[in-house]
Amino acid sequence: EAQVTQNPRYLITVTGKKLTVTCSQNMNHEYMSWYRQDPGLGLRQIYYSMNVEVTDKGDVPEGYKVSRKEKRNFPLILESPSPNQTSLYFCASRLGHSNQPQHFGDGTRLSIL
Amino acid sequence: AQSVAQPEDQVNVAEGNPLTVKCTYSVSGNPYLFWYVQYPNRGLQFLLKYITGDNLVKGSYGFEAEFNKSQTSFHLKKPSALVSDSALYFCAVRVGGRGSTLGRLYFGRGTQLTVWP
Repeated sequence: EAQVTQNPRYLITVTGKKLTVTCSQNMNHEYMSWYRQDPGLGLRQIYYSMNVEVTDKGDVPEGYKVSRKEKRNFPLILESPSPNQTSLYFCASRLGHSNQPQHFGDGTRLSIL
Repeated sequence: AQSVAQPEDQVNVAEGNPLTVKCTYSVSGNPYLFWYVQYPNRGLQFLLKYITGDNLVKGSYGFEAEFNKSQTSFHLKKPSALVSDSALYFCAVRVGGRGSTLGRLYFGRGTQLTVWP
């Protein structure tokens, strides 16, 4: 089954404790991205990747890191999480051409205390 | 700058009635337009897209959307709403191309659709 898989689905942690949210897709998609969803703000892009070893900032990259060492994986790293990063996070992927729809994971709800 | 507006945070409609969820956009270039639906505790699911051609686009679950270039709108419609259509709906726009800044997807803030039985 074609899918985007995120882990964990839920995480409660404390300020400053490094965490990684994994994202994996099995559709051989070139393009992957991370979004955060906050009430009243819709989805805002954090980082995206056009292909392996090619990443770039989205609209809200501060406090996040990403890497794209393999085509299928695109982890999101919070080196020193803070409470304002409490949010619902989505990973998405699509084929390279921009007229293709994105496929989304089921989300990761992060709570930073 | 590219942007998408969904002017209604909430739309309420009775089951069996037609529904419309509004979307307007602003882009510099030819737009690719998308509608996604989000059910509770799930990711966004693709409903339909407009790339080029016929202004009326049909998608999943009986939804359709009409592209209006002069009004820069892409409203989502369904002739007869179901209770199971209740969800959060997002309109999104992308400017066509393969460059690093082209191809990014910009979302509206979402419209919560509630269909009453």
